[in-house]
Amino acid sequence: SQTIHQWPATLVQPVGSPLSLECTVEGTSNPNLYWYRQAAGRGLQLLFYSVGIGQISSEVPQNLSASRPQDRQFILSSKKLLLSDSGFYLCAWSDSGGTGQPQHFGDGTRLSIL
Amino acid sequence: GEDVEQSLFLSVREGDSSVINCTYTDSSSTYLYWYKQEPGAGLQLLTYIFSNMDMKQDQRLTVLLNKKDKHLSLRIADTQTGDSAIYFCAESINDYKLSFGAGTTVTVRA
Repeated sequence: SQTIHQWPATLVQPVGSPLSLECTVEGTSNPNLYWYRQAAGRGLQLLFYSVGIGQISSEVPQNLSASRPQDRQFILSSKKLLLSDSGFYLCAWSDSGGTGQPQHFGDGTRLSIL
Repeated sequence: GEDVEQSLFLSVREGDSSVINCTYTDSSSTYLYWYKQEPGAGLQLLTYIFSNMDMKQDQRLTVLLNKKDKHLSLRIADTQTGDSAIYFCAESINDYKLSFGAGTTVTVRA
Protein backbone atom coordinates (compact mmCIF):
# COMPACT_ATOMS: atom_id res chain seq x y z
CA SER A 1 0.00 0.00 0.00
CA GLN A 2 1.01 3.59 -0.49
CA THR A 3 2.29 5.77 2.31
CA ILE A 4 3.38 9.38 2.54
CA HIS A 5 5.83 10.77 5.07
CA GLN A 6 6.51 14.38 6.00
CA TRP A 7 9.11 15.73 8.35
CA PRO A 8 9.65 17.38 10.65
CA ALA A 9 6.27 17.37 12.37
CA THR A 10 6.90 20.72 14.03
CA LEU A 11 9.48 23.41 13.42
CA VAL A 12 10.24 26.73 15.07
CA GLN A 13 12.47 29.02 13.05
CA PRO A 14 13.63 32.62 13.39
CA VAL A 15 12.76 35.22 10.76
CA GLY A 16 15.37 35.27 8.00
CA SER A 17 16.49 31.67 8.47
CA PRO A 18 16.33 29.05 5.69
CA LEU A 19 13.76 26.29 5.45
CA SER A 20 13.67 22.76 4.11
CA LEU A 21 10.65 20.51 4.51
CA GLU A 22 10.74 17.05 3.03
CA CYS A 23 8.06 14.70 1.79
CA THR A 24 8.44 11.17 0.46
CA VAL A 25 5.93 8.73 -0.96
CA GLU A 26 6.26 4.96 -0.96
CA GLY A 27 4.40 2.25 -2.82
CA THR A 28 3.69 4.08 -6.07
CA SER A 29 5.55 5.32 -9.13
CA ASN A 30 5.40 8.64 -10.94
CA PRO A 31 2.88 10.22 -8.60
CA ASN A 32 1.69 13.81 -8.83
CA LEU A 33 2.97 15.64 -5.76
CA TYR A 34 1.59 18.72 -4.05
CA TRP A 35 2.47 21.24 -1.33
CA TYR A 36 -0.35 23.05 0.45
CA ARG A 37 -0.40 25.64 3.22
CA GLN A 38 -3.21 25.74 5.73
CA ALA A 39 -3.31 29.03 7.59
CA ALA A 40 -5.30 29.72 10.74
CA GLY A 41 -8.89 29.71 9.49
CA ARG A 42 -8.31 26.27 8.02
CA GLY A 43 -8.56 26.90 4.26
CA LEU A 44 -6.05 25.04 2.09
CA GLN A 45 -3.97 26.95 -0.41
CA LEU A 46 -2.14 25.04 -3.14
CA LEU A 47 1.46 26.27 -3.31
CA PHE A 48 3.15 23.92 -5.79
CA TYR A 49 2.50 20.77 -7.72
CA SER A 50 4.74 18.45 -9.69
CA VAL A 51 3.95 15.89 -12.38
CA GLY A 52 7.48 14.53 -12.68
CA ILE A 53 11.11 14.81 -11.63
CA GLY A 54 12.32 18.38 -11.99
CA GLN A 55 8.86 19.64 -13.07
CA ILE A 56 7.44 22.20 -10.68
CA SER A 57 4.39 24.41 -11.13
CA SER A 58 3.85 27.33 -8.80
CA GLU A 59 0.33 28.41 -7.98
CA VAL A 60 0.96 31.62 -6.08
CA PRO A 61 3.88 34.06 -5.95
CA GLN A 62 5.64 33.70 -2.66
CA ASN A 63 8.80 33.42 -0.66
CA LEU A 64 8.96 29.65 -1.07
CA SER A 65 10.27 27.25 -3.71
CA ALA A 66 9.84 23.55 -4.36
CA SER A 67 12.01 20.86 -5.89
CA ARG A 68 11.57 17.25 -6.90
CA PRO A 69 15.01 15.64 -7.09
CA GLN A 70 13.64 12.10 -7.19
CA ASP A 71 10.41 10.50 -8.36
CA ARG A 72 8.93 10.16 -4.89
CA GLN A 73 10.60 13.06 -3.09
CA PHE A 74 9.23 16.57 -2.85
CA ILE A 75 11.00 19.38 -0.98
CA LEU A 76 9.70 22.78 0.09
CA SER A 77 12.35 25.42 0.68
CA SER A 78 12.98 29.03 1.50
CA LYS A 79 16.20 31.01 1.63
CA LYS A 80 14.84 33.55 4.14
CA LEU A 81 11.69 32.95 6.13
CA LEU A 82 9.14 35.69 6.77
CA LEU A 83 6.68 35.92 9.65
CA SER A 84 3.90 35.37 7.14
CA ASP A 85 5.32 31.94 6.30
CA SER A 86 3.95 30.54 9.56
CA GLY A 87 1.33 27.87 9.06
CA PHE A 88 0.59 24.20 8.65
CA TYR A 89 2.22 22.72 5.54
CA LEU A 90 0.77 19.65 3.96
CA CYS A 91 2.23 17.41 1.29
CA ALA A 92 -0.05 15.26 -0.83
CA TRP A 93 0.19 12.77 -3.68
CA SER A 94 -2.16 11.41 -6.32
CA ASP A 95 -1.92 8.87 -9.11
CA SER A 96 -1.05 10.42 -12.44
CA GLY A 97 -4.15 9.10 -14.17
CA GLY A 98 -5.93 12.31 -15.10
CA THR A 99 -8.84 14.14 -13.55
CA GLY A 100 -10.48 12.58 -10.55
CA GLN A 101 -7.49 10.93 -8.91
CA PRO A 102 -7.99 11.69 -5.21
CA GLN A 103 -5.19 13.36 -3.32
CA HIS A 104 -3.76 11.70 -0.23
CA PHE A 105 -2.21 13.84 2.47
CA GLY A 106 0.68 13.52 4.87
CA ASP A 107 0.42 14.41 8.54
CA GLY A 108 1.71 17.94 8.01
CA THR A 109 4.44 20.18 9.41
CA ARG A 110 3.54 22.93 11.86
CA LEU A 111 5.89 25.84 11.11
CA SER A 112 6.18 28.73 13.56
CA ILE A 113 8.29 31.75 12.70
CA LEU A 114 9.59 33.87 15.59
CA GLY B 1 -15.09 30.08 -11.02
CA GLU B 2 -13.61 28.12 -8.20
CA ASP B 3 -15.50 28.69 -5.00
CA VAL B 4 -16.55 26.02 -2.54
CA GLU B 5 -18.66 27.09 0.42
CA GLN B 6 -19.48 25.28 3.63
CA SER B 7 -21.04 26.26 6.92
CA LEU B 8 -18.34 26.66 9.56
CA PHE B 9 -19.81 24.77 12.51
CA LEU B 10 -22.12 21.86 13.27
CA SER B 11 -23.02 20.49 16.69
CA VAL B 12 -24.68 17.09 16.90
CA ARG B 13 -25.68 14.73 19.68
CA GLU B 14 -23.98 11.36 19.88
CA GLY B 15 -26.06 8.73 18.07
CA ASP B 16 -27.84 11.25 15.85
CA SER B 17 -27.13 11.76 12.15
CA SER B 18 -24.88 14.60 11.00
CA VAL B 19 -25.44 16.34 7.69
CA ILE B 20 -22.70 18.58 6.33
CA ASN B 21 -23.56 20.71 3.33
CA CYS B 22 -21.41 22.18 0.59
CA THR B 23 -22.02 24.26 -2.52
CA TYR B 24 -19.63 24.62 -5.42
CA THR B 25 -19.57 26.82 -8.48
CA ASP B 26 -17.60 25.05 -11.20
CA SER B 27 -20.20 23.19 -13.24
CA SER B 28 -17.46 21.36 -15.12
CA SER B 29 -16.18 19.67 -11.95
CA THR B 30 -16.09 15.95 -12.57
CA TYR B 31 -15.31 14.74 -9.05
CA LEU B 32 -16.26 15.96 -5.60
CA TYR B 33 -14.56 14.88 -2.40
CA TRP B 34 -15.00 14.78 1.34
CA TYR B 35 -11.98 14.89 3.62
CA LYS B 36 -11.73 14.67 7.42
CA GLN B 37 -9.08 16.45 9.50
CA GLU B 38 -8.55 15.61 13.16
CA PRO B 39 -6.65 18.08 15.38
CA GLY B 40 -3.00 18.45 14.42
CA ALA B 41 -3.25 15.91 11.61
CA GLY B 42 -3.39 15.89 7.84
CA LEU B 43 -6.49 15.41 5.72
CA GLN B 44 -7.95 11.94 5.41
CA LEU B 45 -9.93 11.11 2.28
CA LEU B 46 -13.36 9.86 3.35
CA THR B 47 -15.13 9.39 0.05
CA TYR B 48 -15.60 10.92 -3.37
CA ILE B 49 -18.29 10.92 -6.02
CA PHE B 50 -18.27 11.24 -9.77
CA SER B 51 -20.49 14.02 -11.05
CA ASN B 52 -22.79 11.69 -12.99
CA MET B 53 -23.85 9.99 -9.76
CA ASP B 54 -26.60 11.17 -7.42
CA MET B 55 -25.65 9.18 -4.36
CA LYS B 56 -22.87 7.09 -2.92
CA GLN B 57 -23.03 5.09 0.29
CA ASP B 58 -20.11 3.70 2.24
CA GLN B 59 -20.93 2.19 5.64
CA ARG B 60 -22.07 5.11 7.85
CA LEU B 61 -21.36 7.71 5.16
CA THR B 62 -23.84 8.80 2.50
CA VAL B 63 -22.96 11.39 -0.13
CA LEU B 64 -25.75 13.14 -2.03
CA LEU B 65 -25.07 15.23 -5.12
CA ASN B 66 -27.52 17.66 -6.70
CA LYS B 67 -25.68 18.71 -9.81
CA LYS B 68 -28.40 21.11 -10.93
CA ASP B 69 -28.07 23.12 -7.71
CA LYS B 70 -24.33 22.39 -7.34
CA HIS B 71 -24.99 21.08 -3.86
CA LEU B 72 -23.13 18.27 -2.13
CA SER B 73 -23.87 16.79 1.27
CA LEU B 74 -22.27 14.26 3.57
CA ARG B 75 -24.46 12.38 6.02
CA ILE B 76 -22.85 10.52 8.91
CA ALA B 77 -25.20 8.02 10.49
CA ASP B 78 -25.00 7.21 14.21
CA THR B 79 -22.47 9.95 14.88
CA GLN B 80 -19.77 9.00 17.40
CA THR B 81 -17.33 11.09 19.46
CA GLY B 82 -14.57 9.97 17.09
CA ASP B 83 -16.38 11.79 14.30
CA SER B 84 -15.54 15.15 15.89
CA ALA B 85 -13.25 16.82 13.35
CA ILE B 86 -13.13 19.36 10.55
CA TYR B 87 -14.72 18.15 7.32
CA PHE B 88 -13.65 19.60 3.98
CA CYS B 89 -15.54 19.51 0.73
CA ALA B 90 -13.46 19.80 -2.45
CA GLU B 91 -14.10 19.86 -6.18
CA SER B 92 -11.77 18.90 -9.02
CA ILE B 93 -10.78 21.90 -11.12
CA ASN B 94 -8.51 20.12 -13.57
CA ASP B 95 -6.16 17.13 -13.66
CA TYR B 96 -4.08 18.54 -10.84
CA LYS B 97 -6.01 21.05 -8.82
CA LEU B 98 -8.67 20.70 -6.16
CA SER B 99 -10.58 23.65 -4.75
CA PHE B 100 -11.33 23.23 -1.04
CA GLY B 101 -13.98 24.76 1.14
CA ALA B 102 -12.98 26.36 4.44
CA GLY B 103 -14.11 23.31 6.39
CA THR B 104 -16.98 22.51 8.77
CA THR B 105 -16.06 21.87 12.39
CA VAL B 106 -18.26 19.06 13.69
CA THR B 107 -18.61 18.76 17.46
CA VAL B 108 -20.26 15.66 18.86
CA ARG B 109 -21.80 16.13 22.30
CA ALA B 110 -22.79 13.38 24.69
